[in-house]
Amino acid sequence: DVKVTQSSRYLVKRTGEKVFLECVQDMDHENMFWYRQDPGLGLRLIYFSYDVKMKEKGDIPEGYSVSREKKERFSLILESASTNQTSMYLCASGAGGIIYEQYFGPGTRLTVT
Amino acid sequence: GQQLNQSPQSMFIQEGEDVSMNCTSSSIFNTWLWYKQDPGEGPVLLIALYKAGELTSNGRLTAQFGITRKDSFLNISASIPSDVGIYFCAGHGDSNYQLIWGAGTKLIIKP
Repeated sequence: DVKVTQSSRYLVKRTGEKVFLECVQDMDHENMFWYRQDPGLGLRLIYFSYDVKMKEKGDIPEGYSVSREKKERFSLILESASTNQTSMYLCASGAGGIIYEQYFGPGTRLTVT
Repeated sequence: GQQLNQSPQSMFIQEGEDVSMNCTSSSIFNTWLWYKQDPGEGPVLLIALYKAGELTSNGRLTAQFGITRKDSFLNISASIPSDVGIYFCAGHGDSNYQLIWGAGTKLIIKP
């Protein structure tokens, strides 16, 4: 079974703080993704990575950056957290090639006060 | 970004009823995926479809890849209380590895 883990289930941060969300997958997948999920807005892609040190912007990259130094780990960074970044953050991984299935972690509920 | 048209938005069902939901797209897809999300958890992959016309089952769930490649259907037979949650469809066309997501169908059991 694919296992995707996220560093925290719940996180509370103050406005202006730098926030790191970490994601680790154990299936040697090429691709990793970061989404945010808000009520009524569905899943929106922030960034994804198709290889170590490679990244591509998704639909809503503003205010976020990412890092993929190792194949199994993909980090999402909020350089200066703002209240409008309060959300559920979901990490996913996928095998790549012609396989488009994505496997999700349990999510991190981030609250910025 | 682009979204799929997923319907219905929500459904109230009696235990034991069959359930149907669908997703439509304005463009052709080569992959359709169906996920279920429980409250406070990440989505879990239920069924993956890779071929137009394909019909695939996973227990009481059956999904179909529409012949036009612009739609997909998910059916749940004889629903049980643990079926409640939000069901998402996702499709892949000819872009990079991004999936296009539906807004979800929320399944609620009638008391």
